[in-house]
Amino acid sequence: GEDVEQSLFLSVREGDSSVINCTYTDSSSTYLYWYKQEPGAGLQLLTYIFSNMDMKQDQRLTVLLNKKDKHLSLRIADTQTGDSAIYFCAEPRVERALTFGSGTRLQVQP
Amino acid sequence: GAVVSQHPSRVICKSGTSVKIECRSLDFQATTMFWYRQFPKQSLMLMATSNEGSKATYEQGVEKDKFLINHASLTLSTLTVTSAHPEDSSFYICSARDLDRANAYEQYFGPGTRLTVT
Repeated sequence: GEDVEQSLFLSVREGDSSVINCTYTDSSSTYLYWYKQEPGAGLQLLTYIFSNMDMKQDQRLTVLLNKKDKHLSLRIADTQTGDSAIYFCAEPRVERALTFGSGTRLQVQP
Repeated sequence: GAVVSQHPSRVICKSGTSVKIECRSLDFQATTMFWYRQFPKQSLMLMATSNEGSKATYEQGVEKDKFLINHASLTLSTLTVTSAHPEDSSFYICSARDLDRANAYEQYFGPGTRLTVT
């Protein structure tokens, strides 16, 4: 079956912007999520976007949604070393469980 | 915000023994909880959907007799890994939805339990 796909690794310098991309599978998904996972820790919901939105901005985070291409992106402005983590996009499935992308490891160089 | 706890946070057990992991919603009720498994450097994969008062629904490829799920109350679901083997070593994460917010977008994740089978 189709997978939610993400690039595996991204390295940026502190202060630069990071853009993490995701291709999801279900065009009828009503909302899409971005989660952050720090080493050895659980998941932290970063932000979400409803399918009737093209863009959502929340402080340093900007989410862009292209429904035609089933493409979702997360931009982190002024990336800090504390942003180093794995970022997962996710879409809901039956009964509201989530299907997660493969995860993108963000490394921020000081 | 809503909090989900898991216990234990880390467990090491010998091959062939059974391990029980608890998932609790601390300040809300959850008719549905989900159990995920995450192998090192991999994504989370849904194992099963736990429904209060009824049998769990398992994903394809997940052995229901090996991973026993009990959702005995609206705030507690347990996952028991029976006859654990080293290949069961993984990070197990639960999540829950708030019953009073059935249409809410968010589900709440526990901090995870790291199981190591020696």
